[in-house]
Amino acid sequence: GAVVSQHPSRVICKSGTSVKIECRSLDFQATTMFWYRQFPKQSLMLMATSNEGSKATYEQGVEKDKFLINHASLTLSTLTVTSAHPEDSSFYICSARDQGYEQYFGPGTRLTVT
Amino acid sequence: GQQLNQSPQSMFIQEGEDVSMNCTSSSIFNTWLWYKQEPGEGPVLLIALYKAGELTSNGRLTAQFGITRKDSFLNISASIPSDVGIYFCAGLEDSNYQLIWGAGTKLIIKP
Repeated sequence: GAVVSQHPSRVICKSGTSVKIECRSLDFQATTMFWYRQFPKQSLMLMATSNEGSKATYEQGVEKDKFLINHASLTLSTLTVTSAHPEDSSFYICSARDQGYEQYFGPGTRLTVT
Repeated sequence: GQQLNQSPQSMFIQEGEDVSMNCTSSSIFNTWLWYKQEPGEGPVLLIALYKAGELTSNGRLTAQFGITRKDSFLNISASIPSDVGIYFCAGLEDSNYQLIWGAGTKLIIKP
């Protein structure tokens, strides 16, 4: 089956620093990648949709200058949280879609900003 | 943003019991999906529904797509400890392949 990896799985950073999270589709080419964040006991909230080689489309209320998304290839997308603050602490999940409708989810990255 | 109405929010059941949860939407979806998420992991697709009225099974799981395409239920028969987790329904938007999520049903199995 289609596998999506995320790295790192957990990261702790200090307030004001930047953190990069990688999302890779391991055995298929991802036409589209999605980035979500999830707070405890809540559902997934879509942050942005990215297509390879083009700018990401951000959902309303998501700051594109704070959450930088780069979808440089058909197998890799990165999310950089810039100038992180404690309120950015969350579980970040990516998913990837090939030619069909199904999104294959990564295992998530737990970000803690101290 | 738009969200599906999913209930119940949580369920405390005994091992061996059957489980039922459902989702409703004010909008029509042509594809309805059920996912399971375990702690610290991403969601995993359980069942996908494409046709109105469709009843689909995956092992002990059974899901049905409502005739109006605005609702669905998921049943789990004879629950076992590994069924613990959060179950999400999601509707697929045809235009951009985005998923509209329910709030989730947390399943807890009492020993």
